[in-house]
Amino acid sequence: QQPVQSPQAVILREGEDAVINCSSSKALYSVHWYRQKHGEAPVFLMILLKGGEQKGHEKISASFNEKKQQSSLYLTASQLSYSGTYFCGTEGGGANNLFFGTGTRLTVIP
Amino acid sequence: DAGITQSPRHKVTETGTPVTLRCHQTENHRYMYWYRQDPGHGLRLIHYSYGVKDTDKGEVSDGYSVSRSKTEDFLLTLESATSSQTSVYFCAISPAEPSYEKLFFGSGTQLSVL
Repeated sequence: QQPVQSPQAVILREGEDAVINCSSSKALYSVHWYRQKHGEAPVFLMILLKGGEQKGHEKISASFNEKKQQSSLYLTASQLSYSGTYFCGTEGGGANNLFFGTGTRLTVIP
Repeated sequence: DAGITQSPRHKVTETGTPVTLRCHQTENHRYMYWYRQDPGHGLRLIHYSYGVKDTDKGEVSDGYSVSRSKTEDFLLTLESATSSQTSVYFCAISPAEPSYEKLFFGSGTQLSVL
């Protein structure tokens, strides 16, 4: 039930854009996105709900394609503070739990 | 920041010994989760709870048990620790099911089984 993320790692220069993808083999009701800095706990960024309602972060956006069971996280004009590992979490509706992908390590360099 | 505390923060133990990790919250949230994090595997769900004495297994529950006798405490027990259980363990809490609400994570417990 673990979703698949791509790419596994990406290196950007400040100001560049990146897209992180998350896909599932199961029907999804919601998708979560979290960022984890090295040695710290994951921190919530955004949740996307079936039907299109979106919540979350101001400077990072995301999409959710229910039919394709996919979500994408868009980071535009990246900043050094964007560095970290990004995880998507998925659940199929009516479940009490969340399954996370293996993560995408994002490094932003000056 | 959400009031969630994990203890201990670091532990070294020997193979075959029982180990208990504690997660304590002051938010009165209904849902609590235990995840383990390993390189190449991301965060994997061990067990979760959706209320006092209501628990269920996650994807990697073998060798682990949990208990929740109070809203604020969720205990994870490794019945007989093995080296494969060396990992970083994160507790998370949420006020409602993850269809609608985000998870708040604790700072983690680094467990080493020698």
